[in-house]
Amino acid sequence: DAGVTQSPTHLIKTRGQQVTLRCSPKSGHDTVSWYQQALGQGPQFIFQYYEEEERQRGNFPDRFSGHQFPNYSSELNVNALLLGDSALYLCASSRRGAGVTYNEQFFGPGTRLTVL
Amino acid sequence: GNSVTQMEGPVTLSEEAFLTINCTYTATGYPSLFWYVQYPGEGLQLLLKATKADDKGSNKGFEATYRKETTSFHLEKGSVQVSDSAVYFCALSRIDNFNKFYFGSGTKLNVKP
Repeated sequence: DAGVTQSPTHLIKTRGQQVTLRCSPKSGHDTVSWYQQALGQGPQFIFQYYEEEERQRGNFPDRFSGHQFPNYSSELNVNALLLGDSALYLCASSRRGAGVTYNEQFFGPGTRLTVL
Repeated sequence: GNSVTQMEGPVTLSEEAFLTINCTYTATGYPSLFWYVQYPGEGLQLLLKATKADDKGSNKGFEATYRKETTSFHLEKGSVQVSDSAVYFCALSRIDNFNKFYFGSGTKLNVKP
């Protein structure tokens, strides 16, 4: 059983460009959350997708957007990149719905984005 | 609001020493509490969890007890190994809040042989 997978592993962009990061959840999971982890910091919640809709959002500008596909995979898009967007972007998957009694999330290895 | 505070690192210990990493939280409602570990260049791995007050989570020799009265979830291990060197994150989540996780800033542990 593959866990959460993310692509690409590393990415280098310049200021003003746009980037798309991809995530495939763990088998059996239907919810994908995205986090930004700046160097030396804990992960910060960006948003969460369930049933192809954004369900909750953290304190991130509209330059950050996402999408979830019918197969539960997800994309994170960042427009007009800033130097401060350089970070490790983590995807986490979980399962919602009836019978879920606790809320463990499984994390992918992350995508390291560097903005020059 | 919801937040997690953990002790600043780095923490440097000799092999076989006792480890404590402090974590306190602020939350509305009844959160679940977690410890995640991050090895260099990798994502987060769940180390242990506790879903209600007085629960003790344990894994690989690590333990943490959910203390509602002190709003704490301190991580402990009786005898650390060099392979335990990593960054440890305390986190909370509420299942009635769309499973949104709040993380502490992380504590780096260095274990020397």
